[in-house]
Amino acid sequence: NAGVTQTPKFQVLKTGQSMTLQCAQDMNHEYMSWYRQDPGMGLRLIHYSVGAGITDQGEVPNGYNVSRSTTEDFPLRLLSAAPSQTSVYFCASSYLPPGTASTDTQYFGPGTRLTVL
Amino acid sequence: GENVEQHPSTLSVQEGDSAVIKCTYSDSASNYFPWYKQELGKGPQLIIDIRSNVGEKKDQRIAVTLNKTAKHFSLHITETQPEDSAVYFCAPNAGGTSYGKLTFGQGTILTVHP
Repeated sequence: NAGVTQTPKFQVLKTGQSMTLQCAQDMNHEYMSWYRQDPGMGLRLIHYSVGAGITDQGEVPNGYNVSRSTTEDFPLRLLSAAPSQTSVYFCASSYLPPGTASTDTQYFGPGTRLTVL
Repeated sequence: GENVEQHPSTLSVQEGDSAVIKCTYSDSASNYFPWYKQELGKGPQLIIDIRSNVGEKKDQRIAVTLNKTAKHFSLHITETQPEDSAVYFCAPNAGGTSYGKLTFGQGTILTVHP
């Protein structure tokens, strides 16, 4: 299994440009999430999905869109990039174990480092 | 939502010393307490976790202890080695409707000096 993959690894954008960060997982996980990581602020949730066709906002959703048409893919779209979106972006997936056990272990991709000039 | 605080934000130790990182949370419904390690240029990876019905768990040089009454849990690393240098995150969660939308601590940068 490749686990969680993200492309591109690095990206430089100009203010106002749009782009899509790709995320895919081959573990058949129901849950997928996008986080951004900024110095001193840990990982903050942007958007998440509990299954194909279902998405919801996290802590910092403004300026980002997501969709989930398949279980495997969860792209993150920046509609009009701003310097405040300069960050490292991580995609993660998780699954609900059978039974009553609750262990929301996140499997992270390698990240995309985005710079907006 | 869950409020999570992690201390210290940076920790510097000599090789062979012990390191302790504490995570305080607010949601009394939290029942799963993981620690993640993030090496430079990589995504975080789970290193140890504990459930609410257990007070302590060990895995070789690392251990996690839980105090549910006081709402905090800690990561303990003994006999530290340079390869332990990384950023560590906690992410307490209650499962259920909060599944898939975790709140992480701010992170602790651990530096182990040879």
